[in-house]
Amino acid sequence: GAGVSQTPSNKVTEKGKYVELRCDPISGHTALYWYRQSLGQGPEFLIYFQGTGAADDSGLPNDRFFAVRPEGSVSTLKIQRTERGDSAVYLCASSYTLDSYEQYFGPGTRLTVT
Amino acid sequence: AQTVTQSQPEMSVQEAETVTLSCTYDTSESDYYLFWYKQPPSRQMILVIRQEAYKQQNATENRFSVNFQKAAKSFSLKISDSQLGDAAMYFCAYRSTAGGTSYGKLTFGQGTILTVHP
Repeated sequence: GAGVSQTPSNKVTEKGKYVELRCDPISGHTALYWYRQSLGQGPEFLIYFQGTGAADDSGLPNDRFFAVRPEGSVSTLKIQRTERGDSAVYLCASSYTLDSYEQYFGPGTRLTVT
Repeated sequence: AQTVTQSQPEMSVQEAETVTLSCTYDTSESDYYLFWYKQPPSRQMILVIRQEAYKQQNATENRFSVNFQKAAKSFSLKISDSQLGDAAMYFCAYRSTAGGTSYGKLTFGQGTILTVHP
């Protein structure tokens, strides 16, 4: 079926606003990962889910960032009180299970905070 | 914590020639996975090749092969017969196979931009 999809593709918001970034994993994939990629850098881990629960959220930079996956499929990354330093590409990936070695990535959401 | 270092910010190669991208990593674990990912301007990360640390044989996928030196903690990618479509950012990544909360996540290097000249 379809690959990992992310919406929106691009998001421009003003400093202080709230944003939601959505990830639709590959159907049947139980593990879902969020990464943040700053300009010219490699992706950095934020959080991952096994099913509905966040198995590791140690990469979330502060309490303005939160992610949910209520039904074990679609996930939403939520950022409150956005700051200019939050500008980056947010990548989502999924894998069949947590044991699967390959993570399939979406095209990312480019967030720009003005 | 594991770290991954790519010391070549940019590399270039002539079409049909061979190029090698370098990667070193630091870990105290004995078993893990190493990967090379390709990221074209479309931003979509694509898995190029993987290596299991317990395997001594270097992985090969068509024109792509790795030189895995476990003792030296080195993991280079060789691209043979380079094609214009190989131009992209390449990332080396590490994944632990040990249990615990860090099990699933990938740790990436800073990336190497590869330019292919016709």
